[in-house]
Amino acid sequence: EAGVTQFPSHSVIEKGQTVTLRCDPISGHDNLYWYRRVMGKEIKFLLHFVKESKQDESGMPNNRFLAERTGGTYSTLKVQPAELEDSGVYFCASSPSGTGELFFGEGSRLTVL
Amino acid sequence: AQSVTQPDIHITVSEGASLELRCNYSYGATPYLFWYVQSPGQGLQLLLKYFSGDTLVQGIKGFEAEFKRSQSSFNLRKPSVHWSDAAEYFCAVDDYSSASKIIFGSGTRLSIRP
Repeated sequence: EAGVTQFPSHSVIEKGQTVTLRCDPISGHDNLYWYRRVMGKEIKFLLHFVKESKQDESGMPNNRFLAERTGGTYSTLKVQPAELEDSGVYFCASSPSGTGELFFGEGSRLTVL
Repeated sequence: AQSVTQPDIHITVSEGASLELRCNYSYGATPYLFWYVQSPGQGLQLLLKYFSGDTLVQGIKGFEAEFKRSQSSFNLRKPSVHWSDAAEYFCAVDDYSSASKIIFGSGTRLSIRP
């Protein structure tokens, strides 16, 4: 069974540019989460999808961040325009409904210059 | 607000020595508790979890953790570490009051001395 996959593994962009991160969850997992880790600090929750609906987006930093999950399968996280403080590792995770156990991808490292 | 504290940023132990990584949480009720590990170049992997019942839980790779309600702690232990245990370890709590949102500590990096 394939795990959670994320693309790209590393992206280097300049301030003001746009980046789109993609996450493919484990097949059949209704719950999809985005997390971010900045500069070795704690891993912070960004948002949670249940199927295609946003269940909780309380962790999204600001309106420069847009997450979508069309059709309830893969998800994208777009940052537009990117700022220096957006640099970090963006993790995606998925889980079957109600278990509370998350399966993580390897993360997408974003560097904004 | 709920929080998770891992007071040790970096720990170095000798191969074969015992290990204990500390974790304290702040939460009104008994939360769901987790330990995850991130090895270099890999994603986070669940080591073990506590939902209810026996306060000593066994996980993968020979790890165990003990939930102590009186101390609000969930420390991770291993009797004898291996070089392959070098990784970063994250304690986490499930804030199930708001649609199952897991909150992570800042992590403890474990180095193994040959």
